[in-house]
Amino acid sequence: SQKIEQNSEALNIQEGKTATLTCNYTNYSPAYLQWYRQDPGRGPVFLLLIRENEKEKRKERLKVTFDTTLKQSLFHITASQPADSATYLCLVYNFNKFYFGSGTKLNVKP
Amino acid sequence: GAVVSQHPSWVICKSGTSVKIECRSLDFQATTMFWYRQFPKQSLMLMATSNEGSKATYEQGVEKDKFLINHASLTLSTLTVTSAHPEDSSFYICSAGAGADTQYFGPGTRLTVL
Repeated sequence: SQKIEQNSEALNIQEGKTATLTCNYTNYSPAYLQWYRQDPGRGPVFLLLIRENEKEKRKERLKVTFDTTLKQSLFHITASQPADSATYLCLVYNFNKFYFGSGTKLNVKP
Repeated sequence: GAVVSQHPSWVICKSGTSVKIECRSLDFQATTMFWYRQFPKQSLMLMATSNEGSKATYEQGVEKDKFLINHASLTLSTLTVTSAHPEDSSFYICSAGAGADTQYFGPGTRLTVL
């Protein structure tokens, strides 16, 4: 099985700065990795997917990188806004199994 | 985008009673639906995978007789927590698969067992 590690400490940044969140996995390189946003008391909302053979994906202010050597994905939010404040989860998929990280809470201060 | 609803959004019940949670894909057909449980400040834990018209596949450690899953149509799956106990209190979230690598999540159901 996989162990997914995300920083459990909240990330506090100033509005306008770039937020960078980390997702590390321990075992097999996943077929793909996804990032989700979860607000309190709500279900996760899909943001980005990156596949094993991709290095980087972008969507508007979001960027995801995937380094299979480091067994790590980085999730960046540029020009962050207070509305970006939420918990961000990564999901790793391989061998027909999903594994979620416990998420990192992002606080963007005005 | 694809919308998944859950009903009820929250429920409080007495210990020993059963609670049914519905998960619906509103604007697409989902051959596969997933049920998760999330405890406060913890990750989503996959409980079971439900395929339309067949028996659900439960993850290790999840009691299939306690958490009954029915996926009778391409737009509806239900999770019934039978003989609920306080330790079953949690946030239950469903998702519907819309392809090999896409899940759309419902808003979740908060279950509190007294």
